[in-house]
Amino acid sequence: DIQMTQSPSSLSASVGDRVTITCRASQAIRNDLGWYQQRPGRAPKRLIYAASSLQSGVPSRFSGSGSGTEFTLTISSLQPEDFASYYCLQYNSNPWTFGQGTKVEIK
Amino acid sequence: EVQLLESGGGLVQPGGSLRLSCAASGFNTSSYNMNWVRQAPGKGLEWVSRIFGSNTYYADSVKGRFTVSRDNSKSTLYLQMNSLRADDTAVYYCARGWTDYWGQGTLVTVSS
Repeated sequence: DIQMTQSPSSLSASVGDRVTITCRASQAIRNDLGWYQQRPGRAPKRLIYAASSLQSGVPSRFSGSGSGTEFTLTISSLQPEDFASYYCLQYNSNPWTFGQGTKVEIK
Repeated sequence: EVQLLESGGGLVQPGGSLRLSCAASGFNTSSYNMNWVRQAPGKGLEWVSRIFGSNTYYADSVKGRFTVSRDNSKSTLYLQMNSLRADDTAVYYCARGWTDYWGQGTLVTVSS
């Protein structure tokens, strides 16, 4: 199985900060990776697919990059509604696997 | 508008069974693979199962106990869960295709 190592597990940031979250795959997964945002009590919402494609309707401050084994989600200017948990998901091979998640909290 | 609505969750004793349903609308379910993803209380997301055409795939943690199926005539996805354990307690979500749309989830609690 492919292991997805996500870091950091949590971070504190202020409105307007630039935030970067990383996922590392235990083997190459091409660009078969998505990023998801989950607010408390809500279903996950896809932000990025194919590692760097922005989901329709998602603000452009979100961006994804990477290929192979190293992937990054960047929020260019953190907004109040962005305080949430974020997950990566590899869908290159079965079983699909999520990263452990990153909780973004208000500093 | 694409919508997914899960149902069938509840309280069940260890060793028991439950069948979850996911009613889809706004798209042709026969054209998409469909997934189940779960989240234990206070924990992260765990992919559970996918049905892709006639092919089915499972996480190791549920293989042999859970069965995914679909009825395209009813636009409904199912998850039959047998031999339930306490660590199956979670909110279960269905998600379309490459997980672009998700339902709101249904809570399964396995406890005596």
